[in-house]
Amino acid sequence: GQNIDQPTEMTATEGAIVQINCTYQTSGFNGLFWYQQHAGEAPTFLSYNVLDGLEEKGRFSSFLSRSKGYSYLLLKELQMKDSASYLCAVEANAGNNRKLIWGLGTSLGVNP
Amino acid sequence: GAVVSQHPSRVICKSGTSVKIECRSLDFQATTMFWYRQFPKQSLMLMATSNEGSKATYEQGVEKDKFLINHASLTLSTLTVTSAHPEDSSFYICSARGEEETQYFGPGTRLLVL
Repeated sequence: GQNIDQPTEMTATEGAIVQINCTYQTSGFNGLFWYQQHAGEAPTFLSYNVLDGLEEKGRFSSFLSRSKGYSYLLLKELQMKDSASYLCAVEANAGNNRKLIWGLGTSLGVNP
Repeated sequence: GAVVSQHPSRVICKSGTSVKIECRSLDFQATTMFWYRQFPKQSLMLMATSNEGSKATYEQGVEKDKFLINHASLTLSTLTVTSAHPEDSSFYICSARGEEETQYFGPGTRLLVL
């Protein structure tokens, strides 16, 4: 079956670093995405990994290990506005289509 | 990043009426568009995948006659909720994918059926 696991909730302090882990088991793999979703809003794209390794983009970095079915999102220099839900999603094959298999999201709270 | 718009952002309607939601890719051609529904504090639920010029592929449990999807051009897809009922009240979000792998999301439509 298709399964994405990530922690339900995390808290961290402003200015700190936090790592949000994601493990997956899917039929087929076309890439892994991280999205940020603030309450009441639609998701916004953060990162895309298809090859093993670390992708850095400003304060956010994302890592992928395909052999381990594992990814993490690293947030540095946390700001209050980073309080949001972080969604891990894997693009897998579904018949003739490709679709995203979604984790339930990790709710991150940033404290002053 | 690419821009996707949705209209309306919020709609309130009476039970039994139909509601149409538009999703547009503003600065790229979307060969595939996706329609999601999200209930409060729950994960995104994919309703259907829509490829331009062909019939939508619906996820299991989603009634295609109730949720009509049209993807007539590379920049526009519409979702019509027919004969809406209070249980259809939800946050409907579209996303679009062009030549890249990334899905870009619209801002969502909050539907309330009275």
